[in-house]
Parts: sequence; C-alpha cells; structure tokens
Amino acid sequence: KAGVTQTPRYLIKTRGQQVTLSCSPISGHRSVSWYQQTPGQGLQFLFEYFSETQRNKGNFPGRFSGRQFSNSRSEMNVSTLELGDSALYLCASSRLPGQNYNEQFFGPGTRLTVL
Amino acid sequence: AQKITQTQPGMFVQEKEAVTLDCTYDTSDPSYGLFWYKQPSSGEMIFLIYQGSYDQQNATEGRYSLNFQKARKSANLVISASQLGDSAMYFCAMREANFGNEKLTFGTGTRLTIIP
Repeated sequence: KAGVTQTPRYLIKTRGQQVTLSCSPISGHRSVSWYQQTPGQGLQFLFEYFSETQRNKGNFPGRFSGRQFSNSRSEMNVSTLELGDSALYLCASSRLPGQNYNEQFFGPGTRLTVL
Repeated sequence: AQKITQTQPGMFVQEKEAVTLDCTYDTSDPSYGLFWYKQPSSGEMIFLIYQGSYDQQNATEGRYSLNFQKARKSANLVISASQLGDSAMYFCAMREANFGNEKLTFGTGTRLTIIP
C-alpha cells in the first residue's frame, strides 16, 4: 500500500510570507504528527492530530498551526516566516493503539527554505 | 534532561562487519516504545525496528536487532553484516505512554559510514 505522502517536496519562500504543507497518511492510519528537523535543533515535535483534533503540541510559537481533515489528511501552516524556519518538515502517521501499534511511518519530508 | 542520548556522532565500519549503535533513554513512565530510524541523504526517515517496554524478547527485523537492556535503560541497534547501503544517519526515538500519545522524542543521531 502507498506510504505517507507529503507535498510539496521543496519550497522556497521569503521572510514574512506564509506557507502551507500537506501530508496524506497511510490508508487506515488516523494519527498524523509533524516534526521539524534542523541541523542545530535536530528533530523536534510540532504537533499531532487524531480524528481532526490536536492531541499534543510541541514547544513552538503560535505561528505554527495545523489541522486535520475527515479523511485524515493533515496540513500545517507557518505564518510570518522567519529565516530560522528553514528546515525539513516531516510528517508521520500511525494507527490507533492496538493491532500493529509499533507502526509510525514517516513521509519523505518537505524541505522549506526561507530567504 | 535529555530523554534520548546517542553518544556516537559518527562511526566508520568496514563492509560486512557488524555494528552496534548506542542509545540510552530516560523515562519514569513504565509504558513506552523505542524506535530506530534510518535517514539517508534523501531525508526520508525509514522505520527499522521497534521495542515495547513490556516486550520480553529483543526485537529483530532481518539484519537489524535491538539489544534492549531495560534496567540499564539501553536500546542499542545492532546491524549484522553491514552493507554500503547502510551508510546513513540513524536515530533512536522514544514514545512514552504507548496509548494516546504519538509524540516521538529523538536522539541527536549517529552518522554511520560503511567503508568498502
């Protein structure tokens, strides 16, 4: 079956702009999490959505937001972009707890460059 | 306090040798899961292996095995018979309270280079 997909794969924006990234989870997976990866800070958790509700949130400013749709697809939005937002943004999906709960698979990521 | 510690920033290993990547973790939660991911230069995080805190046996997946020592809070990844394609960054991650929480906390990673 298809893996986690993320669009776009690459994005270049300028400071002050906003950006929307999209993530489609594996079929049957209802939880979607977002991570930011930078050389300086490593991999940091942004937020997690399940059944269209944000269940968990990392330590990021309010400029970072997200949502999940009824088909489990998720989007994250970053407003008023700063140079430090340049990063690889990774999305991960997983099933409900229970069967095969060890699954937590990542998409290929969106590489955002802010100029 | 750092929850996941990977003390080896980089390793060089001869092809076909076995390699052990270290990972220690810190949690007071009795229920947790430990993951290892491989990240090639393309950036995608590839799931390798999982160990649940209540699992009695060490996890194995093909050439990958996890040396889980619960009392020492250690979850080292062992790759047998290394291949050139194993060259990548490797991340250890933990998910606390298995149910209802999907947040992964990652270590800083180990860059593994396989030498022909």
